[in-house]
Amino acid sequence: KAGVTQTPRYLIKTRGQQVTLSCSPISGHRSVSWYQQTPGQGLQFLFEYFSETQRNKGNFPGRFSGRQFSNSRSEMNVSTLELGDSALYLCASSPQGAVRGANVLTFGAGSRLTVL
Amino acid sequence: GIQVEQSPPDLILQEGANSTLRCNFSDSVNNLQWFHQNPWGQLINLFYIPSGTKQNGRLSATTVATERYSLLYISSSQTTDSGVYFCAVKGNQFYFGTGTSLTVIP
Repeated sequence: KAGVTQTPRYLIKTRGQQVTLSCSPISGHRSVSWYQQTPGQGLQFLFEYFSETQRNKGNFPGRFSGRQFSNSRSEMNVSTLELGDSALYLCASSPQGAVRGANVLTFGAGSRLTVL
Repeated sequence: GIQVEQSPPDLILQEGANSTLRCNFSDSVNNLQWFHQNPWGQLINLFYIPSGTKQNGRLSATTVATERYSLLYISSSQTTDSGVYFCAVKGNQFYFGTGTSLTVIP
């Protein structure tokens, strides 16, 4: 069974640009959540999607947005990039529902964003 | 939100030594997970352990939910155990601790 796939793995942008990151969950997993990891703030929750609906959102500005498609793949977008947005962006999927391990997170390898 | 504190923040061990990592959390939870982040940034799920004790090879974990803490035990450490260990608890979202950075020296 393929794992969680995140693309691109590395990218460099300049201030003011926007970026879109993609996450393909494990087949059959219906929940996708996104996290930002920085040396200063650690791992912080961005948002969670389930069945194409945003279920929860963390404390991030409106420049951070996401969506989930009918095949459970998810994208997140950051507009008007700032230097502080440089981070490792991690996506995790979980099965949800009445199954064994419903809430166990499986992470992708991450997308490392550098903003210059 | 739920506060998650991990200790110690840093740990250096000789290969073969044992260690105990601790995770304290500020509210009742029914979902606690331990992860290992390797030097390349990949987070690997070690345990889903909302309560009780589990073992997987040289690793074991215990969560005492009523006292709001969890422990991760690493026995006979190996250099491949190096990395950062995180615990995460779920309230309305997942909250992560700041991690324990483990370095195992040959």
